[in-house]
Amino acid sequence: DAGVIQSPRHEVTEMGQEVTLRCKPISGHDYLFWYRQTMMRGLELLIYFNNNVPIDDSGMPEDRFSAKMPNASFSTLKIQPSEPRDSAVYFCASSTWGGQEAEAFFGQGTRLTVV
Amino acid sequence: LAKTTQPISMDSYEGQEVNITCSHNNIATNDYITWYQQFPSQGPRFIIQGYKTKVTNEVASLFIPADRKSSTLSLPRVSLSDTAVYYCLVGEGTDKLIFGTGTRLQVFP
Repeated sequence: DAGVIQSPRHEVTEMGQEVTLRCKPISGHDYLFWYRQTMMRGLELLIYFNNNVPIDDSGMPEDRFSAKMPNASFSTLKIQPSEPRDSAVYFCASSTWGGQEAEAFFGQGTRLTVV
Repeated sequence: LAKTTQPISMDSYEGQEVNITCSHNNIATNDYITWYQQFPSQGPRFIIQGYKTKVTNEVASLFIPADRKSSTLSLPRVSLSDTAVYYCLVGEGTDKLIFGTGTRLQVFP
């Protein structure tokens, strides 16, 4: 397996524009996690899915953020409208089970810059 | 979730052994201790997990005392490429995967 695949690797957009980040988890993994990482706030869990169903989205900062997982092999994180404070690295991870003991596999991340 | 406490940062030189200790005083009976490593510009990577005593793999060793209220990640003979952030995770009871602030290890030549 190629691992968790995220696209794009880099995204630069103007404030107010819609941004869509994409993630392909490892085949057979039932859990998918979206994280945001900044210097100030570290690695924050935004939302996670189990068997394509969103379980906990309490980490999603605002209504401008939404995430979907239409099938087991694809997930998106959308920001609409984007703001400069959304600039961060966004990671997607997948695992066969959830929780702190899971061996989660992370993608390379998407570096988002909103100007 | 069991709360974990780790040093914010550590410095070392190439060839030295580095030990990073994580405190988890309220660890539960069924909890495992898991460590991740994150290199700059990459996502975290699972490196080792243990329940008690000692676990060793090709990357690191994990020492867990009998009371399990702390654990120590040991990196033998570090090199510049071991410069990374190391995260200690403990606790179950939820499907969430939560990372703390981690320990930033800087290895100097």
